[in-house]
Amino acid sequence: KQEVTQIPAALSVPEGENLVLNCSFTDSAIYNLQWFRQDPGKGLTSLLLIQSSQREQTSGRLNASLDKSSGRSTLYIAASQPGDSATYLCAVLSRGGSEKLVFGKGTKLTVNP
Amino acid sequence: DAGVIQSPRHEVTEMGQEVTLRCKPISGHNSLFWYRQTMMRGLELLIYFNNNVPIDDSGMPEDRFSAKMPNASFSTLKIQPSEPRDSAVYFCASTDNYSNQPQHFGDGTRLSIL
Repeated sequence: KQEVTQIPAALSVPEGENLVLNCSFTDSAIYNLQWFRQDPGKGLTSLLLIQSSQREQTSGRLNASLDKSSGRSTLYIAASQPGDSATYLCAVLSRGGSEKLVFGKGTKLTVNP
Repeated sequence: DAGVIQSPRHEVTEMGQEVTLRCKPISGHNSLFWYRQTMMRGLELLIYFNNNVPIDDSGMPEDRFSAKMPNASFSTLKIQPSEPRDSAVYFCASTDNYSNQPQHFGDGTRLSIL
């Protein structure tokens, strides 16, 4: 059974700092790994999707990496801004058996001005 | 693009009542998902449809829960009878390629069962 863990559960940083969010998963048989952002009272917004054959994806100030063999992914946010404050969720789409998106519980990020 | 539309946004009802949550996926998307989010368990998949056909309902917690997708533009999640432990935020999501494209989420329905 796929399990996804995100550490830390919460993170508070000053504006302008570069930061890394971590995600680990137990089963490397995946189609892809996705990072989402969730604002309070809102649904999830897709940030980056990394296919299992890829090592990283970039979008603006965001860079996500994937090491499938070790079951790890990181989301790097450069030059953080108060508007980046949100909960960030990692999810993996597993292959075989129950092919569904399994989510971590998220990292709540606060960027202080 | 209007995005995934869910209704109602909030629902408060007494236990034992029937609850119906509604979802309109993004036009052209052929996969639709229902999720439940709670503080304790996080985000969990309840059921998903591909081309209007239920593919995996193993996440549906009990027979009190049922979901339908009568056409490509509409789905419902029904709870009958509702119980206080069903209180959660329920999300609907859709995608046009299950294994290669991200899922697009609605803003959710916050359900409170008293």
